[in-house]
Amino acid sequence: DSGVTQTPKHLITATGQRVTLRCSPRSGDLSVYWYQQSLDQGLQFLIQYYNGEERAKGNILERFSAQQFPDLHSELNLSSLELGDSALYFCASSVSSISYEQYFGPGTRLTVT
Amino acid sequence: QQQVKQSPQSLIVQKGGIPIINCAYENTAFDYFPWYQQFPGKGPALLIAIRPDVSEKKEGRFTISFNKSAKQFSLHIMDSQPGDSATYFCAASMGLRNTGNQFYFGTGTSLTVIP
Repeated sequence: DSGVTQTPKHLITATGQRVTLRCSPRSGDLSVYWYQQSLDQGLQFLIQYYNGEERAKGNILERFSAQQFPDLHSELNLSSLELGDSALYFCASSVSSISYEQYFGPGTRLTVT
Repeated sequence: QQQVKQSPQSLIVQKGGIPIINCAYENTAFDYFPWYQQFPGKGPALLIAIRPDVSEKKEGRFTISFNKSAKQFSLHIMDSQPGDSATYFCAASMGLRNTGNQFYFGTGTSLTVIP
């Protein structure tokens, strides 16, 4: 167990809908990362937050947004969902904004029908 | 453009064999190269990592070999066991204090160790 928690574990929704994925980092970690894992794209970095502020941005679509709250949990919002958004979404945390050791949560499996 | 290229896509070895997974990168600004192990239904777990100032790092049965001039690094699993059957990802990263830390992952290698 990495200490990173993610909810929900599974999510099934329809195209065009909006969903929110939640992540709680390990105790003491200030940085949160979001990743998308699909069969054809592998593990893709989406975005990083550190202590409430956005720090790095990867291949995140404009339909997706994220935020980190004062208690350091983070939410990833996915809107106008398309079939191609079906994937595993992982959250990872690390101690600081540039620390290299990341700890991954168990993931949320999103299925868009 | 794939920043980190990983091969092979899948690998089958006998118990006790030494599977080798290879990765190559282009960006010489990368300064941290981790390997992750992922079991079905689980998130990736950090296995071992190396910095570019060393050529080899060992942790238990896992060894990273790093060739800075060739911009390649590889994972060797000594005395492989059926419990090592998993998907392995290499990654590369560079940490910049003001802009955070972005990780680039390889496409993964599915390893099967036959008893």
